[in-house]
Amino acid sequence: AQSVTQPDIHITVSEGASLELRCNYSYGATPYLFWYVQSPGQGLQLLLKYFSGDTLVQGIKGFEAEFKRSQSSFNLRKPSVHWSDAAEYFCAVGAHNQAGTALIFGKGTTLSVSS
Amino acid sequence: EPEVTQTPSHQVTQMGQEVILRCVPISNHLYFYWYRQILGQKVEFLVSFYNNEISEKSEIFDDQFSVERPDGSNFTLKIRSTKLEDSAMYFCASSFPGAKWGQYFGPGTRLLVL
Repeated sequence: AQSVTQPDIHITVSEGASLELRCNYSYGATPYLFWYVQSPGQGLQLLLKYFSGDTLVQGIKGFEAEFKRSQSSFNLRKPSVHWSDAAEYFCAVGAHNQAGTALIFGKGTTLSVSS
Repeated sequence: EPEVTQTPSHQVTQMGQEVILRCVPISNHLYFYWYRQILGQKVEFLVSFYNNEISEKSEIFDDQFSVERPDGSNFTLKIRSTKLEDSAMYFCASSFPGAKWGQYFGPGTRLLVL
């Protein structure tokens, strides 16, 4: 069955420290992979996406993610976290090259940033 | 930057009542979606819509749900007879043709069924 696992429910990082949020997926075909962020009271904002090519993708707000097919992972990273990065982060997978398809989401990881 | 908008932001209704949740997708997008998130659970896909018909739907999207694009800008989700378990945040999303472009989400409507 298709699924996305985000093993960490809650992570606390000091401001200025590096961040890595984990995402593992189970998908029968080549997936499209996404990271979304949700700030309190806001919708889901697309941070970055991977669909082919270079396995290291750059997104908005200084985030990047690396696709590792052998590990079925798509971890999100940021070298230096800012207090405004505190939010909930969702990893999602979609069918490759199929418009209108459902995205399957992980349960999310809540990021807290300490000063 | 264009955004998906949703109204209302919050809705409280009595069990058995009908509700209509409204969305205005990004203007040049052609695919439209509804997702929901029950408190503490995953975001779940309900339905996708293209060219005035349902493209894909999940098993959650049963006969009590319907979608419509009543005009050139709005996209609606109707829940015919609400149940307590329909209480959730409902997200509308839209996208270009081609899954690689990603789906763009609205801020959500929080529905509470009493």
